[in-house]
Amino acid sequence: DTAVSQTPKYLVTQMGNDKSIKCEQNLGHDTMYWYKQDSKKFLKIMFSYNNKELIINETVPNRFSPKSPDKAHLNLHINSLELGDSAVYFCASSQSWRENEKLFFGSGTQLSVL
Amino acid sequence: AQTVTQSQPEMSVQEAETVTLSCTYDTSESDYYLFWYKQPPSRQMILVIRQEAYKQQNATENRFSVNFQKAAKSFSLKISDSQLGDAAMYFCAYRDFPQGGSEKLVFGKGTKLTVNP
Repeated sequence: DTAVSQTPKYLVTQMGNDKSIKCEQNLGHDTMYWYKQDSKKFLKIMFSYNNKELIINETVPNRFSPKSPDKAHLNLHINSLELGDSAVYFCASSQSWRENEKLFFGSGTQLSVL
Repeated sequence: AQTVTQSQPEMSVQEAETVTLSCTYDTSESDYYLFWYKQPPSRQMILVIRQEAYKQQNATENRFSVNFQKAAKSFSLKISDSQLGDAAMYFCAYRDFPQGGSEKLVFGKGTKLTVNP
């Protein structure tokens, strides 16, 4: 049983397209995150949701819109994709926002924008 | 802003030997947590070890231990009896408790560890 699953694993698309990445966790955690790992392996938080409410929104372009229909799901929608959006995007969850170091990560979605 | 620096982009070690990965951080806070995460080729991020800043005793988890030097703001990871499965990217991370702010992990840029048979 995969604890944090995200789909798709690989996403290749043209500049200007709109795409979504889905994430689901079956751990009963309250808090979910999106991280971006660039080509130099630098990992940086983008968003965090606690019980479906946005609690962290780092300086991310408005083209990125997270959506949490329930606390087990946090999807990431990206509009008007740009070359610089190419990266690996990780979904993660933790029991609560106060325990956000005990993260369970998904296996990542490698996004390539051509 | 808090920063985490890993000065070794790559390290290698012979199987069964010991290797130490370096990490330094910058903060004005006195209460915080430090972590080491492992990211194998599967890309899954795995928490290896964590250290509370208020604890003087260095954390250990089986073959993994840390050398926490609070005054020097240094937090190195020692891997003893290295195994082939230890080959991965290792990320140092920091978390504090800002008043009125959102708690989040700040990651270093990672060290790629190669284990040679």
